[in-house]
Amino acid sequence: QVQLQESGPRLARPSETLSLTCTVSGAFVHSGGYFYSWIRQRPGKGLEWIGYVYPGGTTHYNASLQSRATIFVDTSKNQFSLNLNSVTAADTAVYYCARDVSEKYYFDLWGQGTLVTVSS
Amino acid sequence: SALTQPASVSGSPGQSITISCTGTYSDVGNYDLVSWYQQSPGKAPKLLIYEVNKRPSGISTRFSGSKSGNTASLTISGLQADDEAHYYCCSCAGSATVVFGGGTELTVL
Repeated sequence: QVQLQESGPRLARPSETLSLTCTVSGAFVHSGGYFYSWIRQRPGKGLEWIGYVYPGGTTHYNASLQSRATIFVDTSKNQFSLNLNSVTAADTAVYYCARDVSEKYYFDLWGQGTLVTVSS
Repeated sequence: SALTQPASVSGSPGQSITISCTGTYSDVGNYDLVSWYQQSPGKAPKLLIYEVNKRPSGISTRFSGSKSGNTASLTISGLQADDEAHYYCCSCAGSATVVFGGGTELTVL
């Protein structure tokens, strides 16, 4: 059974970098057939796609976050990660990692989500 | 920009409801790559429909999807109390990107 699990600090300071990691269990990220995405949900709001990484390392981002977001994969640890820099209170959200079926653009598997609060 | 969904819909048990998802020719209208997700409070979204009208294994046949032009739709038939949740559409938006709808809250009366 494949599972995704987010981890990382629950608090980020304004202007600093938010860093999260998603650990994949039950499958290898390098096995192909999937992209690996980060999606967030601000309190009381809808879902916002941040971006995804291919196992080979190629990335695509939401244009509105492209200048601040970096997603990368570590196949040796079977993980992929998100760095979001220069955060503000508007980046407070539940962050989900999700598996995206390659070139079909749907998310068949999600992590449970982790709330990150940006506050001094 | 986000796909347009009604903020809320409601229906009585046993009835059918339809949630619309309107985009543009750059997303919904140009790709048969629309998916739908159900999110209960405090939970991660769950895939209901992919590629407009396909159901993953284990999803009830009460959930169905369709598309016409720039608008996709999710229909839930035989409404049940535990269908009460938020529903989100999602579409490929070109250049290997995706866009979500703003979400629709379903109330079962």
